[in-house]
Amino acid sequence: AQTVTQSQPEMSVQEAETVTLSCTYDTSENNYYLFWYKQPPSRQMILVIRQEAYKQQNATENRFSVNFQKAAKSFSLKISDSQLGDTAMYFCAFMRLDAGNMLTFGGGTRLMVKP
Amino acid sequence: DSGVTQTPKHLITATGQRVTLRCSPRSGDLSVYWYQQSLDQGLQFLIQYYNGEERAKGNILERFSAQQFPDLHSELNLSSLELGDSALYFCASSRDRSLYGYTFGSGTRLTVV
Repeated sequence: AQTVTQSQPEMSVQEAETVTLSCTYDTSENNYYLFWYKQPPSRQMILVIRQEAYKQQNATENRFSVNFQKAAKSFSLKISDSQLGDTAMYFCAFMRLDAGNMLTFGGGTRLMVKP
Repeated sequence: DSGVTQTPKHLITATGQRVTLRCSPRSGDLSVYWYQQSLDQGLQFLIQYYNGEERAKGNILERFSAQQFPDLHSELNLSSLELGDSALYFCASSRDRSLYGYTFGSGTRLTVV
């Protein structure tokens, strides 16, 4: 079974600064996908970014980028130029490519962006 | 609006009761997933349906059951409710073998008193 670990329960960052959220996972699979989801106070789950394991290039979406280290099974999220609207819970998730395409989530990191 | 509709948004019920949560997937999506999120915790996978058939099952209690109907909407039935069942229940949908993650509904907040 896959496990996803987010070792930082809470983090804070000043507005306009950069913050990195950590995520590690455990799997014996070679082909899989990784995701970061954002859950603001509204509780809606919002997809932030995704990474294909077979791609060496790190994914980037505007101010959000990842550092994917396949050998180390590490998948960190970097948020640049943090904004107050980035305040949320962030969940790392793993998808194994089988018939179910089930997502396994980490425990989450609560990020507070301070003015 | 994500396109995934969950009703009701909030539900308060007493211990021992039974409730039904409903989910309408995004148009064209055949897979429906149910997740449970207890207070400030991660999402725990309960069950997945694809085009009316159960495809995968997670840590779903025997008191819980689900089904997907011919029109692809899904219902999650929770019975003999306990205080510990209080949580946010998410439904999500995807195309089959979607590699872009899921589209989540806004969740149903269940409070058992």
